[in-house]
Amino acid sequence: EVQLMESGGGLVQPGGSLRLSCAASGFTFSDHYMDWVRQAPGKGLEWVGRSKTKFNSYITEYGASVKGRFTISRDDSKKSLFLQMNSLKTEDTAVYYCAREMGATLRGKSGYYFDSWGPGTLVTVSA
Amino acid sequence: SYVLTQPPSVSVAPGKTASITCGGNNIGSKSVHWYQQKPGQAPVMVIYFDSDRPSGIPERFSGSNSGNTATLTISRVEAGDEADYFCQVWDSDSDHNVVFGGGTKLTVL
Repeated sequence: EVQLMESGGGLVQPGGSLRLSCAASGFTFSDHYMDWVRQAPGKGLEWVGRSKTKFNSYITEYGASVKGRFTISRDDSKKSLFLQMNSLKTEDTAVYYCAREMGATLRGKSGYYFDSWGPGTLVTVSA
Repeated sequence: SYVLTQPPSVSVAPGKTASITCGGNNIGSKSVHWYQQKPGQAPVMVIYFDSDRPSGIPERFSGSNSGNTATLTISRVEAGDEADYFCQVWDSDSDHNVVFGGGTKLTVL
């Protein structure tokens, strides 16, 4: 059974930093792209970014609102994904989810989706 | 960047059929995925690649996608289906290459 568990959330002041972790089990972690998705209180889902696999040179990609401030990394030996968040703003307040990304081409269309999610960890940015 | 538009809310009586739409420019050319999220819980995928159901998702959940609209259909709606539903696509032409719709709150009357 695929399991993802985030940790590291908490209260931080604007301008501060925080590092989130996601521990994975139940699947071959190193074979999968892994993503962070966040959800501000009462709002919708927002993609934060992804870490590709070693085969894809561990390339990372980010959403526009976090690019340059957040850094995603992974440790395949520990089956863990990380999110380093710097220069935090009040609008970064959200539940942060770790998600396993799956990609395929079916019926002539390519696509990527999230088949497993962790329960999330709350990050509150406030003075 | 690519935009997905969902109605904020849909209401349906138990036993009836609910349809939740997701609009986007030529969305029929993309693969659409749907997630259910109950209060205080993480999202759960209910449809992927327009119309495929993951194991464990009831057959009552189905999807379609054509033109500028994708639709999630829930037949014989139950009280336990009350949740927020989000559509999602991968837009290879955008920096925001994972795009979510704003979400639809399904209320079971």
